[in-house]
Amino acid sequence: LAKTTQPISMDSYEGQEVNITCSHNNIATNDYITWYQQFPSQGPRFIIQGYKTKVTNEVASLFIPADRKSSTLSLPRVSLSDTAVYYCLVADRAGGFKTIFGAGTRLFVKA
Amino acid sequence: NAGVTQTPKFRVLKTGQSMTLLCAQDMNHEYMYWYRQDPGMGLRLIHYSVGEGTTAKGEVPDGYNVSRLKKQNFLLGLESAAPSQTSVYFCASSYSPGVHEKLFFGSGTQLSVL
Repeated sequence: LAKTTQPISMDSYEGQEVNITCSHNNIATNDYITWYQQFPSQGPRFIIQGYKTKVTNEVASLFIPADRKSSTLSLPRVSLSDTAVYYCLVADRAGGFKTIFGAGTRLFVKA
Repeated sequence: NAGVTQTPKFRVLKTGQSMTLLCAQDMNHEYMYWYRQDPGMGLRLIHYSVGEGTTAKGEVPDGYNVSRLKKQNFLLGLESAAPSQTSVYFCASSYSPGVHEKLFFGSGTQLSVL
């Protein structure tokens, strides 16, 4: 069972870089790591996905070390609107493929 | 494209009443999911479907039933609602469950059971 562990909450200030680390010690060889963002009263939305090394898009960067047992979501220069819950996911293949969410990391950006 | 559409957006039930939540997707996705989210908590998987005519249990299936008669629709039913089922319900879909899976979510249904 591929399970993820992330901090429950983090605080930051506007303009700072925020790094959220996720542990996934039992990740399968072929599995990707996917991050979602959820604003209050909305469904989660996909923000970034990666397999190894570094992936960057217009929203965030994802750093994955060679052993792939963890990953770090990096949000550059956060603003108040980045206040949200961030979920790190890897596949759960036990008993058939399905996507299981953990508790996520609640990021609160202050002015 | 509308993406994933959930109806209704809000509903209040009395204990023992029944209702059906509808999820519709226009992306031709094979996989569909129903999650519930309680205040301050993460999402918990109720049921999911790997294709038309199939359903499977997730983490918290008790008290719910689902049907996937058409590829684009995934229905979640509560036969006898209980206060413990007060929650926000999210539907999601994906093209495939493979290693590149990306879920697309609806905007949610706020359900209160009194």
